[in-house]
Amino acid sequence: EAGVAQSPRYKIIEKRQSVAFWCNPISGHATLYWYQQILGQGPKLLIQFQNNGVVDDSQLPKDRFSAERLKGVDSTLKIQPAKLEDSAVYLCASSLDRANQPQHFGDGTRLSIL
Amino acid sequence: AQSVSQHNHHVILSEAASLELGCNYSYGGTVNLFWYVQYPGQHLQLLLKYFSGDPLVKGIKGFEAEFIKSKFSFNLRKPSVQWSDTAEYFCAVNARAAGNKLTFGGGTRVLVKP
Repeated sequence: EAGVAQSPRYKIIEKRQSVAFWCNPISGHATLYWYQQILGQGPKLLIQFQNNGVVDDSQLPKDRFSAERLKGVDSTLKIQPAKLEDSAVYLCASSLDRANQPQHFGDGTRLSIL
Repeated sequence: AQSVSQHNHHVILSEAASLELGCNYSYGGTVNLFWYVQYPGQHLQLLLKYFSGDPLVKGIKGFEAEFIKSKFSFNLRKPSVQWSDTAEYFCAVNARAAGNKLTFGGGTRVLVKP
């Protein structure tokens, strides 16, 4: 099966600029996750969608980060304005809509803030 | 708050040596436990998981992990590593009552010398 697709793979912007990441989950996966992975740390969940509804966004910095999954398939994550500490890899993952299903990860987008 | 600790940040060993990576979590409820692996240049992949039953879990590529409830631990082992096991390994936990939200450890970078 095709994996989780993310784009772009790399992005370099200056602080205070805006940036958007795109994710296409595995077909049929109702649950979609965005993680932030700072260098030297494990992934940290930013937001979890169930179809097009938000299940958990408790760790999303809502003053600058936003995410949407309008049709319950693709999702975008936006940062506006970016700060230096947002430099990280942004990972998208998806899973089936059943309990205890493993998450499948994309390759991530590596964001560098200058 | 739920947390996951991985004791070693870096491990260097020679081929055919045995590997054990420590993972401890802090959560009092019923948990699901995972080990993910990230090979150089690749996305995170599920190595093995524990939900219930036999606390000794076997995964792909000869890896196994043992859940010790009294120690809140889920250590990963491989009796004889290969150069291709060079990767970063992440332990992750979710609370069954909290859906599929994963909390990751900080990761352990393993370098296997040929």
